[in-house]
Amino acid sequence: GQNIDQPTEMTATEGAIVQINCTYQTSGFNGLFWYQQHAGEAPTFLSYNVLDGLEEKGRFSSFLSRSKGYSYLLLKELQMKDSASYLCAAPNYGGSQGNLIFGKGTKLSVKP
Amino acid sequence: EPEVTQTPSHQVTQMGQEVILRCVPISNHLYFYWYRQILGQKVEFLVSFYNNEISEKSEIFDDQFSVERPDGSNFTLKIRSTKLEDSAMYFCASSGVVDRAPYEQYFGPGTRLTVT
Repeated sequence: GQNIDQPTEMTATEGAIVQINCTYQTSGFNGLFWYQQHAGEAPTFLSYNVLDGLEEKGRFSSFLSRSKGYSYLLLKELQMKDSASYLCAAPNYGGSQGNLIFGKGTKLSVKP
Repeated sequence: EPEVTQTPSHQVTQMGQEVILRCVPISNHLYFYWYRQILGQKVEFLVSFYNNEISEKSEIFDDQFSVERPDGSNFTLKIRSTKLEDSAMYFCASSGVVDRAPYEQYFGPGTRLTVT
């Protein structure tokens, strides 16, 4: 089966750095996604990792360790608009292409 | 930039009624999906569609649900007899890129379904 765990809520200060962790247990592995979801809106793609290591994309970076079943999303120079839920997701291994299993999301509040 | 669109943005219906939620995926995409998100809960996969047929469905996607791609652009989700617990935000998504898997999925803005 598939299980994805991430903290429910986090709070950080504008301009700071925050790391959102995700652990996963999957029967196989086919990469890990991070999505951002503002309240009442659709998830939007942030990153995809399939190999170990850090992938940097502007203020956002994502890290993966396959041996530990662990990923994190790093947000730098936080802005108020970064207040949102951050969803960790993995493809349903063994299913057809790309059906995503989502974690419950981490609600990030950025304060002035 | 191409985007997935969904209509209506909000649908209110009475229990037992049929509803059809509509989506227009990104035009050159090949895979289409429906997800739902009950308020305050996680996004849940319902069904995926490829090459004019269902490729996978979850336990949620029972006989009350059906999907169709009636023409070259629309992708619909029908709920035959709605229940109170069907109240949720329904997201359509699409993805392409045949030679790489899995695919980045683009989500539509969602349809908020309220069953009374």
